Amino acid sequence: DQQVKQNSPSLSVQEGRISILNCDYTNSMFDYFLWYKKYPAEGPTFLISISSIKDKNEDGRFTVFLNKSAKHLSLHIVPSQPGDSAVYFCAASALGNNDMRFGAGTRLTVKP
Amino acid sequence: NAGVMQNPRHLVRRRGQEARLRCSPVKGHSHVYWYRQLPEEGLKFMVYLQKENIIDESGMPKERFSAEFPKEGPSILRIQQVVRGDSAAYFCASSPGQTGRDTQYFGPGTRLTVL
Repeated sequence: DQQVKQNSPSLSVQEGRISILNCDYTNSMFDYFLWYKKYPAEGPTFLISISSIKDKNEDGRFTVFLNKSAKHLSLHIVPSQPGDSAVYFCAASALGNNDMRFGAGTRLTVKP
Repeated sequence: NAGVMQNPRHLVRRRGQEARLRCSPVKGHSHVYWYRQLPEEGLKFMVYLQKENIIDESGMPKERFSAEFPKEGPSILRIQQVVRGDSAAYFCASSPGQTGRDTQYFGPGTRLTVL
């Protein structure tokens, strides 16, 4: 069961523009959401997270927005840089559960 | 990747052989998680362990797969009698506390290929 969905397998943007990566979830028990970034031949690296008590969390060029009613979150990267080119995974967890559910990932390419 | 070590990085096995994947967590981390990533898919949770205890193995296939995290030494994910469908990237992650509220630090993964 795909409880966390990233419907866009790839995204290409120009350097300096905004990148918007989207993620939808189905389990209303999820209350903590994370974004991980993965380069080839490396493991995922934590990027940013948000608790369900918030609707926005910002860290430098990265902002995550959470819309609980729509069960949707998005990651905004602005301005995008070529070094941001990677696969981005959305993940979600529920209090009391031991596992995180990951989406299938979106491959972001930032063109110089 | 914050110090999580996995070895080997690449492992080739023939059908029916055993595969052993090792994971050394970040120093001081007592929580270890194993994930599997099949081609074109996201990471799927397999098992969560603390030292000498399996806390949650709800994502582990019922047969042929086992995991341990001994008091001393790395965590081991063991796959017996491998089949082609076991070919995947296996990632280990560690955290200082329980998942969901503590960031998990991932290792570089072991890519298993079953011939």
